[in-house]
Amino acid sequence: EVQLVESGGGLVQPGGSLRLSCAVSGLTFSSYWMTWVRQAPGKGLEWVGNMNQDGSEKYYVDSVKGRFTISRDNAKNSLYLQMNNLRVEDTAVYYCARGHYDFNYWGQGTLVTVSS
Amino acid sequence: DIVMTQSPDSLAVSLGERATINCKSSQSVLSSSDNKNYLGWYQQKPGQPPKLLIFWASTRESGVPDRFSGGGSGTDFTLTISSLQAEDVAVYYCQQSYGTPRTFGQGTKVEI
Repeated sequence: EVQLVESGGGLVQPGGSLRLSCAVSGLTFSSYWMTWVRQAPGKGLEWVGNMNQDGSEKYYVDSVKGRFTISRDNAKNSLYLQMNNLRVEDTAVYYCARGHYDFNYWGQGTLVTVSS
Repeated sequence: DIVMTQSPDSLAVSLGERATINCKSSQSVLSSSDNKNYLGWYQQKPGQPPKLLIFWASTRESGVPDRFSGGGSGTDFTLTISSLQAEDVAVYYCQQSYGTPRTFGQGTKVEI
């Protein structure tokens, strides 16, 4: 059974940092592009960024460029999202998902709340 | 960025009736190299992550009931639920994967 489990969310003040993790099991993690998607409370889905299999390619939505960094550790079957200089508008549930074009496996998400 | 616009924002359909959701992209998502439309549809129920229903505009994901079908090409797409069931109450999103950043429609809420 494929499982994606996010962790690391929580309450942080504006300007602060958080590192999210996504532990993946049940598939050959190193064979797939991986993606982060977020959803603000009561709002729609927003693609945050993605990374290729060996980490040599990364892409981000403009609103997080220069503040967020995606990384992965294929030996640990894990994906990460380092979030710096957080803003109130970054408040959302953050999902990791498998895929480059379509996303057919998703985690349950982890909530990040940016508030003073 | 490719802007995805869904219509309507919400719709109420009787059990057993047809539901149709429209999705329009600001530019074509049809690839000339492989003749595929890079358009997917997702279903999201409250408190759950999205679930992929359709990819390449019309290919049903494994395990998805055949009452769900996708159509269209270029810039105009539809998701049809042929006979609405109670468990289909959800928000549905289209998403393009032709360009980066990937972008989603705003969502369509389907109710009974």
